[in-house]
Amino acid sequence: AQSVTQLGSHVSVSEGALVLLRCNYSSSVPPYLFWYVQYPNQGLQLLLKYTTGATLVKGINGFEAEFKKSETSFHLTKPSAHMSDAAEYFCAVINSNSGYALNFGKGTSLLVTP
Amino acid sequence: GAGVSQSPSNKVTEKGKDVELRCDPISGHTALYWYRQRLGQGLEFLIYFQGNSAPDKSGLPSDRFSAERTGESVSTLTIQRTQQEDSAVYLCASSLIKGGNTIYFGEGSWLTVV
Repeated sequence: AQSVTQLGSHVSVSEGALVLLRCNYSSSVPPYLFWYVQYPNQGLQLLLKYTTGATLVKGINGFEAEFKKSETSFHLTKPSAHMSDAAEYFCAVINSNSGYALNFGKGTSLLVTP
Repeated sequence: GAGVSQSPSNKVTEKGKDVELRCDPISGHTALYWYRQRLGQGLEFLIYFQGNSAPDKSGLPSDRFSAERTGESVSTLTIQRTQQEDSAVYLCASSLIKGGNTIYFGEGSWLTVV
């Protein structure tokens, strides 16, 4: 089954600094990859996804991620962090053994400091 | 409806009692998923429904957990004889059946077993 590993359960950046959240995947088939964000006391919201085509994917709120097959990675970036970006971020991959269900990473909590 | 709707949003129950959680998916979405999110942890896949096909129950943690879905509409997740370790947010999601299609999440049902 496909799986993802998120490196770093907590990441802290200063406001205006680069945000980099790491995700590596394991898949025996071409993966479909996703990043979701969960703001405090809210549900999950899709940030972006990679299915096929262009490997650099742009999402909402200025986030983007690049699919790198050679590195089995799908890291999430944002050039300049805002205070409002503080949230839990989850990387996920389609679990082809369970239809179209997602296998999620354990999440990375992003803290943005003034 | 406009989004995935879950009820109740919060539930406190005594250990040993049964609970039912309800999910109303986005209209037209044939796939429905249940996930569990324990405090500070990632999302665990529980069960997946696709149309009238047999559900994928591979993620259900024990036989105390069951779920039903009538056609392509509402689903209920039932937990019998609740235990304190069942305390979590139970998230429902739905999607169209298509590889790479976005999965939309509800805001979850917060279950506390005391």
